[in-house]
Amino acid sequence: QVHLQESGPGLVKPSGTLSLTCAVSGGSISSLNWWSWVRQSPGKGLEWIGEIYDSGSTNYNPSLKSRVTIAVDKSKNQFSLKLTSVTAADTAVYYCARDTGSSIDWGQGTLVTVSS
Amino acid sequence: QLVLTQSPSASASLGASVKLTCTLSSGHSRYAIAWHQRQPEKGPRYLMKLNSDGSHSKGDGIPDRFSGSSSGAERYLTISGLQFEDEADYYCQTWGTGIHWVFGGGTKLTVL
Repeated sequence: QVHLQESGPGLVKPSGTLSLTCAVSGGSISSLNWWSWVRQSPGKGLEWIGEIYDSGSTNYNPSLKSRVTIAVDKSKNQFSLKLTSVTAADTAVYYCARDTGSSIDWGQGTLVTVSS
Repeated sequence: QLVLTQSPSASASLGASVKLTCTLSSGHSRYAIAWHQRQPEKGPRYLMKLNSDGSHSKGDGIPDRFSGSSSGAERYLTISGLQFEDEADYYCQTWGTGIHWVFGGGTKLTVL
């Protein structure tokens, strides 16, 4: 079974860039799946950020599109999230996930706080 | 606009059954959804994909106590023989255009 593990700085300064990585083990990132990022701000529900397919095709939440980049690094079997110009509203637990079309696998999540 | 509506909270006694509801917005009654469980301090866990005809496919290792059903625009998650470990937030999710994953607001389940 595939295992997903998020990693990255837990604290980012306002106006800075949030950068996270999702390491994939137990499976290849080159398999025909969608790889996604989802977040949950304190006291709020789940929000889809965006996704990338094996081919490199991406889809982003329109509300975040101008600030988001998702990329795949096949050599490291991982994918990444960059979110620019962050504010306190971007403070959240960030999850990576894999959608196979018939099931979804989730990482355990990582808390990112935006604060000076 | 594709919207999923869930009750904010639900409760049931240990050993009892509970039925959680996720309602699809008008015009989207044939959409399939997925149910996810998020236990405290843990990442979400995929429970099942539920089709409009009530057929569903569960994730690996999901107990038989979890089942899904559908009626019109409503999608249900039934948990039988409730255990304390079932106390969690339950989210429904579907696949849209523009916003590819659309989530309901979640239902916080308390086991009494």
